[in-house]
Amino acid sequence: AQSVAQPEDQVNVAEGNPLTVKCTYSVSGNPYLFWYVQYPNRGLQFLLKYITGDNLVKGSYGFEAEFNKSQTSFHLKKPSALVSDSALYFCAVRDEAAGNKLTFGGGTRVLVKP
Amino acid sequence: DTAVSQTPKYLVTQMGNDKSIKCEQNLGHDTMYWYKQDSKKFLKIMFSYNNKELIINETVPNRFSPKSPDKAHLNLHINSLELGDSAVYFCASSYLGLAGLGEQYFGPGTRLTVT
Repeated sequence: AQSVAQPEDQVNVAEGNPLTVKCTYSVSGNPYLFWYVQYPNRGLQFLLKYITGDNLVKGSYGFEAEFNKSQTSFHLKKPSALVSDSALYFCAVRDEAAGNKLTFGGGTRVLVKP
Repeated sequence: DTAVSQTPKYLVTQMGNDKSIKCEQNLGHDTMYWYKQDSKKFLKIMFSYNNKELIINETVPNRFSPKSPDKAHLNLHINSLELGDSAVYFCASSYLGLAGLGEQYFGPGTRLTVT
């Protein structure tokens, strides 16, 4: 069975500082990994994905994520956070061996303070 | 130009009633999904349809019945609503033709409140 863990319920960071949101996964086959962001009272928006290839993936709004197979992690990063990055972030995994089902982590709330 | 739209946005109803939520996508995707997001923001897949065929059916009470009249529409009908059905329901779509690697696009959600 596939699973995703986001160990932090909330991350607080000052504007201009680096932002990291952690994600670890468990799959039986090759992992396909995704990050989504949810602003208040809105649907989820796709940020980036890792399918294969370069371990460093660049996405929307200056976000990037690093795939680490040995640590089964896919942490989301942004070099310099903005107040407007405050939102709920979800990591998700699709196990190649489990069909098209996408499993989401519990979400991490990011609060960027001015 | 909304990519994935849902109606209604808010739905307040009493226990025991039957209600439907509609979803439409204009992205040309071949796969659509229903998710439930509970009060703790936990997101769980309920159903998925590919070209009008049910491909994912999670452990959901049979009071919930999805219907896909065509590739662009996926509706969710709920019978005999219960308090525990209160949640935000999201519709999403993707292109499964990319070997399932296409990202999913989400609608704005329908907040269902059962009193």
